[in-house]
Amino acid sequence: DTGVSQDPRHKITKRGQNVTFRCDPISEHNRLYWYRQTLGQGPEFLTYFQNEAQLEKSRLLSDRFSAERPKGSFSTLEIQRTEQGDSAMYLCASSRTNTGELFFGEGSRLTVL
Amino acid sequence: GQNIDQPTEMTATEGAIVQINCTYQTSGFNGLFWYQQHAGEAPTFLSYNVLDGLEEKGRFSSFLSRSKGYSYLLLKELQMKDSASYLCAVRVLNAGNNRKLIWGLGTSLAVNP
Repeated sequence: DTGVSQDPRHKITKRGQNVTFRCDPISEHNRLYWYRQTLGQGPEFLTYFQNEAQLEKSRLLSDRFSAERPKGSFSTLEIQRTEQGDSAMYLCASSRTNTGELFFGEGSRLTVL
Repeated sequence: GQNIDQPTEMTATEGAIVQINCTYQTSGFNGLFWYQQHAGEAPTFLSYNVLDGLEEKGRFSSFLSRSKGYSYLLLKELQMKDSASYLCAVRVLNAGNNRKLIWGLGTSLAVNP
């Protein structure tokens, strides 16, 4: 499978716990994006990387959210001290630089109880 | 500010043609995308327009008028599997010459037999 893969697909956690999601992009893609999506809404931009550099982070993102892409390949998104409002689908997408088409993974659905 | 408008819901009949409109008010326009998203799944790329005119791809076509800030997605010979949300996304260039996607909320299309 050469598509974007995300893990885990589903995560249920209690409020206050930390969660981490992993994304493996398409191998030749150097741009990687994280989005959040809730029911009936379009994807909400969180952050993106070009290779290992985090080039932009949404101002909507609180300090509880952090993302890394240490070797320019896979990326992790960590949410600390989760809140019920963090419940959403977390989407990862990748693309080649200078092209626009995003290839999305299947998403990681987070439920915070 | 950056804004994208598309209808919330549409209904059509199997075998018919449906047009989903998208209007946008953005600065630094650098292309417009349409994505299809089935319930519980990730968005998948449908089309890309950067110049005015019609792009045709099988049963799907997308039109762009940059002067009017307007696009539409045309779906012909509708099938039941076309029931999904259709997301309009505009790519903009920001002050740092970075590309960013602005997403609409999506149009939920229901195809009835």
